[in-house]
Amino acid sequence: SQQGEEDPQALSIQEGENATMNCSYKTSINNLQWYRQNSGRGLVHLILIRSNEREKHSGRLRVTLDTSKKSSSLLITASRAADTASYFCATAALDGGGNQFYFGTGTSLTVIP
Amino acid sequence: NAGVTQTPKFRVLKTGQSMTLLCAQDMNHEYMYWYRQDPGMGLRLIHYSVGEGTTAKGEVPDGYNVSRLKKQNFLLGLESAAPSQTSVYFCASSSGGSSYNEQFFGPGTRLTVL
Repeated sequence: SQQGEEDPQALSIQEGENATMNCSYKTSINNLQWYRQNSGRGLVHLILIRSNEREKHSGRLRVTLDTSKKSSSLLITASRAADTASYFCATAALDGGGNQFYFGTGTSLTVIP
Repeated sequence: NAGVTQTPKFRVLKTGQSMTLLCAQDMNHEYMYWYRQDPGMGLRLIHYSVGEGTTAKGEVPDGYNVSRLKKQNFLLGLESAAPSQTSVYFCASSSGGSSYNEQFFGPGTRLTVL
């Protein structure tokens, strides 16, 4: 399987703290995307980082990418209760499989008010 | 715009029964996808379509069929449901097939096969 893996599987923090989750993947990529899934809902796109970028910011989100280690991290700063959700990384293989995204197993984040 | 919608939201089937899940999008997207989500497995691609009248197999296509007769609709069929097909099914669409394209997801269909 080309699925990635997120780490940790579950994370519980207090409101205002930072949350960091990691993603490892198996194949060479053009880019990596992060998605959020609220309970009982579909996934929502958060951010995309290209393979030639090492870090990208969007609001309270900071994403890093290390292609040599085939890993990425998502940092959510100053977390809020509304950030409670599952977070997934998604990649597509470089070998023409751009139509096929591979999603990781997800990190379940709970932010306690 | 409604985005991506799925029908039904919930369904319970008995082993051997058949059903069709409907996905509709109003964003004029060419690409549409069906995924299943199981605990600890993340999302896995079942089938996808790169345009009206086309379909292709994904990672876990066995036991499912699909059709894309209209650009805005993508149907997922289970001809003879099995308990192993108990899952949450998500439809998604994107404007292009590049890995740079964002996918837009529907709210999901929770299917239980007894």
